[in-house]
Amino acid sequence: DVKVTQSSRYLVKRTGEKVFLECVQDMDHENMFWYRQDPGLGLRLIYFSYDVKMKEKGDIPEGYSVSREKKERFSLILESASTNQTSMYLCASSAAGPDEKLFFGSGTQLSVL
Amino acid sequence: TQLLEQSPQFLSIQEGENLTVYCNSSSVFSSLQWYRQEPGEGPVLLVTVVTGGEVKKLKRLTFQFGDARKDSSLHITAAQPGDTGLYLCAVLDDKIIFGKGTRLHILP
Repeated sequence: DVKVTQSSRYLVKRTGEKVFLECVQDMDHENMFWYRQDPGLGLRLIYFSYDVKMKEKGDIPEGYSVSREKKERFSLILESASTNQTSMYLCASSAAGPDEKLFFGSGTQLSVL
Repeated sequence: TQLLEQSPQFLSIQEGENLTVYCNSSSVFSSLQWYRQEPGEGPVLLVTVVTGGEVKKLKRLTFQFGDARKDSSLHITAAQPGDTGLYLCAVLDDKIIFGKGTRLHILP
């Protein structure tokens, strides 16, 4: 069964902490994405990557960075967590090509206190 | 301006009823996707529609792409509690854009 796995379902951090959210996919997909999902705001794209060591800013990259050292792994980094980064974070992957079908992980609910 | 408008935002109906939710835009798209997100999970792709006027069926779910490829509808026949979830439409602009979704709750 193909999978996108996010390392944590729930995470509680303190303001100012550095936070790492990990995502691994086993489908050999070229493309990987990080979204955050908030009530009333829908899914918003933070960063994406179309290849190893490549990254592109999405719609709301401020306060975040990413790392993609291996094809299967895409990490989201909160350099200094703030309370307004409390959210559900969703990782997704897709194969290269015009028909981008996204496969999502189960999400990480991050609370920053 | 939201590229994709989904309506209604919320819908709560009794088991066995029929319902339709909508995804509208002023732009033309080459394809449109529908995802369902169950509580505590990530979205799962249900269907992709490509041709204007196309109708696709997935058991009790019927998806239609508008003739002008600007809008789509999802009709559920005889809704079941397992249909409960957030229904999202999405299109490929220069990247995939999601609507805000319709949150559907089926009462047993």
